[in-house]
Amino acid sequence: DIQMTQSPSSLSASVGDRVTITCRASQVISNYLAWFQQKPGKAPKSLIYAASTLQSGVPSRFSGSGSGTDFTLTISSLQPEDFATYYCQQYNSYPRTFGQGTMVEIK
Amino acid sequence: QVQLVESGGGLVKPGGSLRLSCAASGFTFSDYYMSWIRQAPGKGLEWVSSISSGGSTRYYADSVRGRFTISRDNAKNSLYLQMNSLGAEDTALYYCVKDGRSATTSIRDWGQGTLVTVSS
Repeated sequence: DIQMTQSPSSLSASVGDRVTITCRASQVISNYLAWFQQKPGKAPKSLIYAASTLQSGVPSRFSGSGSGTDFTLTISSLQPEDFATYYCQQYNSYPRTFGQGTMVEIK
Repeated sequence: QVQLVESGGGLVKPGGSLRLSCAASGFTFSDYYMSWIRQAPGKGLEWVSSISSGGSTRYYADSVRGRFTISRDNAKNSLYLQMNSLGAEDTALYYCVKDGRSATTSIRDWGQGTLVTVSS
């Protein structure tokens, strides 16, 4: 199985900050990497697929990059509604696997 | 717009069974892979099972293989998860998700989830 490792597990940031979350796969997954956002008590929301393509309606302050085994999610200017938990997931093969999540909290 | 509405969750005793359903609308259901993903209380996301658009190919997490069965009825635009031999470790919110048109496409849409609690 492909292991997905996210870092950090949590971070504190202020509105307007640039935030970067990393995700590392235990083997090459090309660009078959997605990012999801989950707010407390809500279902996850799909943000990015194919490592860098924004889902429809996702603000442009979100961006993704990477290929192979190393990926990043960047929020260029953190907004109040961005405080949430973020997960990466590989869909290169089954079983699908998620990172453990990164909680973005208000500083 | 895409709607995925799960049902069938509830409280069940260890060793019991439950069948989850997901009613899909707003897209051509028979064109898309579908999956179940779960989230234990206070924990992260765990992929459970996926099924191809025609239903001929099924995938399972090791943790549920042999106990859970995924199926679909394209005529009814519905996805199912039959869960047998349930244990406390299966307690979670179960999400129905819409994948893409092939095995290497990402999740697009999520339902709101149905809660399964396994307890005596």
